[in-house]
Amino acid sequence: DTEVTQTPKHLVMGMTNKKSLKCEQHMGHRAMYWYKQKAKKPPELMFVYSYEKLSINESVPSRFSPECPNSSLLNLHLHALQPEDSALYLCASSQVVQLDYLNEQFFGPGTRLTVL
Amino acid sequence: TQLLEQSPQFLSIQEGENLTVYCNSSSVFSSLQWYRQEPGEGPVLLVTVVTGGEVKKLKRLTFQFGDARKDSSLHITAAQPGDTGLYLCAGAGSSNTGKLIFGQGTTLQVKP
Repeated sequence: DTEVTQTPKHLVMGMTNKKSLKCEQHMGHRAMYWYKQKAKKPPELMFVYSYEKLSINESVPSRFSPECPNSSLLNLHLHALQPEDSALYLCASSQVVQLDYLNEQFFGPGTRLTVL
Repeated sequence: TQLLEQSPQFLSIQEGENLTVYCNSSSVFSSLQWYRQEPGEGPVLLVTVVTGGEVKKLKRLTFQFGDARKDSSLHITAAQPGDTGLYLCAGAGSSNTGKLIFGQGTTLQVKP
């Protein structure tokens, strides 16, 4: 199984809502990532988890809260978002994060988020 | 700060034409990946190059990694409408924290 799955595919939420994005992989990967992507732009890294511990937070606003319950699952909890947070949110995984390693990342299909 | 300059940013060609996308940096990368992304979907990994001077082929796509591991190219022969998409190069930097350095992307449109 070489797939990263994400749910939901689409999400529309108001600025006062609380919602969560979910990501799952069964490749035995120990590193997982959240990215935000705007149209026709490259993905922007938000968070990196390595061995279920948060290793990188790219100065993301606290209205985004990541969680890694186990090595296969990654969640992104959303609260009090702004319209400018509307984007494609991508999850990715890689075998490990270590110096000089390939760091091939495999992406999920993304969640298209619209904040009204 | 490591940067990847990707060019061209937009390319619109007719079916059957050849094209090359470039990814350049002043920094050395331990590896470099190429992805293709279709609208509304996640990027799909096409290839990873690791060794300086390496050439890899994937059907009509040829990928090269520069001898000094600072640049890479993607060449498509006889482009097809199915090649349409956003092409991204991404490098694993010298301090591998898990961060990929992405180029700005090349939006390719192949018209039938």
